[in-house]
Amino acid sequence: RKEVEQDPGPFNVPEGATVAFNCTYSNSASQSFFWYRQDCRKEPKLLMSVYSSGNEDGRFTAQLNRASQYISLLIRDSKLSDSATYLCVVNLYSGGGADGLTFGKGTHLIIQP
Amino acid sequence: ETGVTQSPTHLIKTRGQQVTLRCSSQSGHNTVSWYQQALGQGPQFIFQYYREEENGRGNFPPRFSGLQFPNYSSELNVNALELDDSALYLCASSRTGWTEAFFGQGTRLTVV
Repeated sequence: RKEVEQDPGPFNVPEGATVAFNCTYSNSASQSFFWYRQDCRKEPKLLMSVYSSGNEDGRFTAQLNRASQYISLLIRDSKLSDSATYLCVVNLYSGGGADGLTFGKGTHLIIQP
Repeated sequence: ETGVTQSPTHLIKTRGQQVTLRCSSQSGHNTVSWYQQALGQGPQFIFQYYREEENGRGNFPPRFSGLQFPNYSSELNVNALELDDSALYLCASSRTGWTEAFFGQGTRLTVV
């Protein structure tokens, strides 16, 4: 079983629509959770951290369900500029040493005019 | 801009050669991690440095090695290059090992 699983897509969504991505992770000891965005041939950029209480940043809402080991990202009123690959990221960090960030393969989003 | 810079941006090497990639971390960040991203895949953790010592390593062979300097900048060295080492190499800096990490623009390595 992969450590972080995402639907690779592509998701083709009309401009202005709402789109949701999901991600599951296998290690229940995971400590930190993030969504990163990556444009073609560029570096990943931090979109937002994900907390159990849920958090919102403008049009973006992220949610964490530790019991189900499930992370979600909701994008409202999607813009053409939201077209990118969205990477679900988990940090195990056992405290005895670093395990680095574990990335999913990413979900490819295409916003259509 | 994240303040994390990597050099060079592109590199072509021959199989069997050695390569050194460099990274300057963001001001105030003392932790640096390196990742390898093959085409169509998510980045894979190579190792992490904290206070000039490696404090975590992913599933990469010993021919991948690194250094961190007193100013928290870092190097990734790869010996005996193989064709499968062709990838985007990303450096990330963070304040601690578990907080948000910010990536440099990457070095695209091609091994021929």
